[in-house]
Amino acid sequence: QQQVKQSPQSLIVQKGGISIINCAYENTAFDYFPWYQQFPGKGPALLIAIRPDVSEKKEGRFTISFNKSAKQFSLHIMDSQPGDSATYFCAASLNDKIIFGKGTRLHILP
Amino acid sequence: GAGVSQSPRYKVAKRGQDVALRCDPISGHVSLFWYQQALGQGPEFLTYFQNEAQLDKSGLPSDRFFAERPEGSVSTLKIQRTQQEDSAVYLCASSPRTGMNTEAFFGQGTRLTVV
Repeated sequence: QQQVKQSPQSLIVQKGGISIINCAYENTAFDYFPWYQQFPGKGPALLIAIRPDVSEKKEGRFTISFNKSAKQFSLHIMDSQPGDSATYFCAASLNDKIIFGKGTRLHILP
Repeated sequence: GAGVSQSPRYKVAKRGQDVALRCDPISGHVSLFWYQQALGQGPEFLTYFQNEAQLDKSGLPSDRFFAERPEGSVSTLKIQRTQQEDSAVYLCASSPRTGMNTEAFFGQGTRLTVV
């Protein structure tokens, strides 16, 4: 059973456009929802995170929108740049572990 | 160094061989986690240490996998009698606080290939 479902699997966006990645979760006990960015050959790096009592969080060009009733959350990357090309993982955490989605490979066209 | 350090970066093992993967967390970090990342997939939880105590090992796929953190700092993940399905990147992460509902820092991983 996949507890965190992520879509799309891959995404191509023009430079300057908005990249949107969606996630849905099952367990209502999750209490922390981070997004990680991973470049080839590197470990995942925390990009931005939100807790379920907040509906939106913005940090620079990155925004998380969170819908608790629908058990969905999404990452928006504004003014997407070629340097944003990477794999993005949504995740959900409960106590001592993070459950990751399967990832979205994002490619920004120059 | 300032980050989480893992060694070796790459390991090729013959099927049936034992391997040991090392993780040096950020100094002073209480929590340490091991994850397994198969090609094209998200990381999957293996085990969690709070200081030297292994509080959760529910993700270890079999009794061939063993992890330790004897002094609450460096950790070793050992895989006995490696099999081809063990081929993956093994990621270590550490966090200054307990649990993972706070920022955790990942190392670059050890890519294990079993031939």
